[in-house]
Amino acid sequence: GQQVMQIPQYQHVQEGEDFTTYCNSSTTLSNIQWYKQRPGGHPVFLIQLVKSGEVKKQKRLTFQFGEAKKNSSLHITATQTTDVGTYFCAVQGSNDYKLSFGAGTTVTVRA
Amino acid sequence: GAVVSQHPSWVICKSGTSVKIECRSLDFQATTMFWYRQFPKQSLMLMATSNEGSKATYEQGVEKDKFLINHASLTLSTLTVTSAHPEDSSFYICSARDPRDYVYEQYFGPGTRLTVT
Repeated sequence: GQQVMQIPQYQHVQEGEDFTTYCNSSTTLSNIQWYKQRPGGHPVFLIQLVKSGEVKKQKRLTFQFGEAKKNSSLHITATQTTDVGTYFCAVQGSNDYKLSFGAGTTVTVRA
Repeated sequence: GAVVSQHPSWVICKSGTSVKIECRSLDFQATTMFWYRQFPKQSLMLMATSNEGSKATYEQGVEKDKFLINHASLTLSTLTVTSAHPEDSSFYICSARDPRDYVYEQYFGPGTRLTVT
């Protein structure tokens, strides 16, 4: 599957601040998905992006897909303690639906 | 959204024994399910694709004789870890896609934490 690099690996955020996690590829991606995994839990689907330059928002979360479809970002504003967890980007195979996950960004929040 | 269940949620077994993990799609039929393994503080690694009525396809480096997969019905896939060893201790998660969904979201089971002593 297509490989994606995700940075940073860890993000320590003060409650109320914003942060961004990035997902990069050396090749053009057909799609990018984002998942959130709470500590001790399983991944939960957040969003899928497929179009060049696409931007989608979910409340305080903003997802972007780069113009060249080689990178994506997740920006969270006004971080809350409920945002704690690991955020993964993943690429899904067009024909086989296999998911290739990035390494994930683990977010901790300081109250 | 669709629901995927796994059983058991955790299991402890002795080295050399076999463990079976079940993955069920509760409210949809899944011709394809996926099995992942996740070590602590690491990402999910796809182990194999489980295909209903046919053989599973394994990712490179995954021993098919050690990780037996059976997809006997449209709602059930099982993963059997044979002759388990401590290095097999991990978090095993299955996922499935609801073919009725327009968006290619995958639904994950809650995971099974395996500890081999």
